[in-house]
Amino acid sequence: QKEVEQNSGPLSVPEGAIASLNCTYSDRVSQSFFWYRQYSGKSPELIMSIYSNGDKEDGRFTAQLNKASQYVSLLIRDSQPSDSATYLCAVNHAGGTSYGKLTFGQGTILTVHP
Amino acid sequence: ETGVTQTPRHLVMGMTNKKSLKCEQHLGHNAMYWYKQSAKKPLELMFVYNFKEQTENNSVPSRFSPECPNSSHLFLHLHTLQPEDSALYLCASSQERTSGGKETQYFGPGTRLLVL
Repeated sequence: QKEVEQNSGPLSVPEGAIASLNCTYSDRVSQSFFWYRQYSGKSPELIMSIYSNGDKEDGRFTAQLNKASQYVSLLIRDSQPSDSATYLCAVNHAGGTSYGKLTFGQGTILTVHP
Repeated sequence: ETGVTQTPRHLVMGMTNKKSLKCEQHLGHNAMYWYKQSAKKPLELMFVYNFKEQTENNSVPSRFSPECPNSSHLFLHLHTLQPEDSALYLCASSQERTSGGKETQYFGPGTRLLVL
């Protein structure tokens, strides 16, 4: 069973702080990793994708990947109330019939309070 | 219309009804997906279509029947559902290449289904 686990949350941070969201995965051959944001009652939207070990930065968001530890994280700097949402970690498994198959974590609810 | 659209947005049906969910993608993608999102459970992949061929059926009960007539349209036919099938059903699409797996999936707004 390929699994993706996220820190359960909910996570509450003050406005302007750094929010840190974590995700671990069980399938060692996974190659592609995604963070989606889902506002209440809405569909998931992509924030970041990362494929190689290390950091990837996009504005206030930084994704970090460590394949040896099977760990991927998302840092949100200067958190804003508009960042309050559920953050979903998704992992794409490599090869065979797993082509295009994403496994999602259960999501972490983030609340940024003014 | 842009992106991925889904109709209807809300659906209430009895256990003996037959209904269909529709998804259309306007992104020129070659792969489409059905996901189920239940309260307090992770998003679950149900079906994958690649170049109109079903490549994944994730042990979904036969009361859910997908149809993909072309690369832009995807249907989910529903019959004799159970109350536990009540959930948000999301459609997604992506442009998959031979190396596979790196392409972003774009989601539609979803259909909120309630089975009475």
